[in-house]
Amino acid sequence: KAGVTQTPRYLIKTRGQQVTLSCSPISGHRSVSWYQQTPGQGLQFLFEYFSETQRNKGNFPGRFSGRQFSNSRSEMNVSTLELGDSALYLCASSLGDRGNIQYFGAGTRLSVL
Amino acid sequence: TQLLEQSPQFLSIQEGENLTVYCNSSSVFSSLQWYRQEPGEGPVLLVTVVTGGEVKKLKRLTFQFGDARKDSSLHITAAQPGDTGLYLCVSPNTGNQFYFGTGTSLTVIP
Repeated sequence: KAGVTQTPRYLIKTRGQQVTLSCSPISGHRSVSWYQQTPGQGLQFLFEYFSETQRNKGNFPGRFSGRQFSNSRSEMNVSTLELGDSALYLCASSLGDRGNIQYFGAGTRLSVL
Repeated sequence: TQLLEQSPQFLSIQEGENLTVYCNSSSVFSSLQWYRQEPGEGPVLLVTVVTGGEVKKLKRLTFQFGDARKDSSLHITAAQPGDTGLYLCVSPNTGNQFYFGTGTSLTVIP
């Protein structure tokens, strides 16, 4: 069974630009969660999508948005990039029930210059 | 919001030594998971503990869930370089939102 796939693996952008990251979950998983990981803040929850609907949302500004398609694939968009958005962005998929195991992708490393 | 504090934040030890990592919260956990993240990769689940006082062993790794379900520990016996990584404790809330601990970065020196 293929794991969680995130693309691209690395991305370099400049301040003010926008970026879209993609996540393909494990087949059969309906929940996709996104996290931001930085050395100073650790892993922080961005949002979770389940069956194309945002089910949970973390404490991030509106510049961070996402969506999920009918095949459970998910995209995350960050608009008007700031230097502080430089981070590893991880997505995790699960079956969607409370406490289910989350399976993580390798992440997208975003650098904002 | 559940806040999970992990200690120590950084740990560098020689191969063959033992170590213990702690995860604490002021809230009661419904369950708790431990993940390990190796450089350049996403976190991988090691274990889930559910019952207060529960002890689970995974080869040289021993996981313990506190009786009151507010704390957990991970003990590694005879650490090896392959144990190097970031160890994270995680707890899901009622809405399937996962809260990650602050992490313990372990380096095992050959």
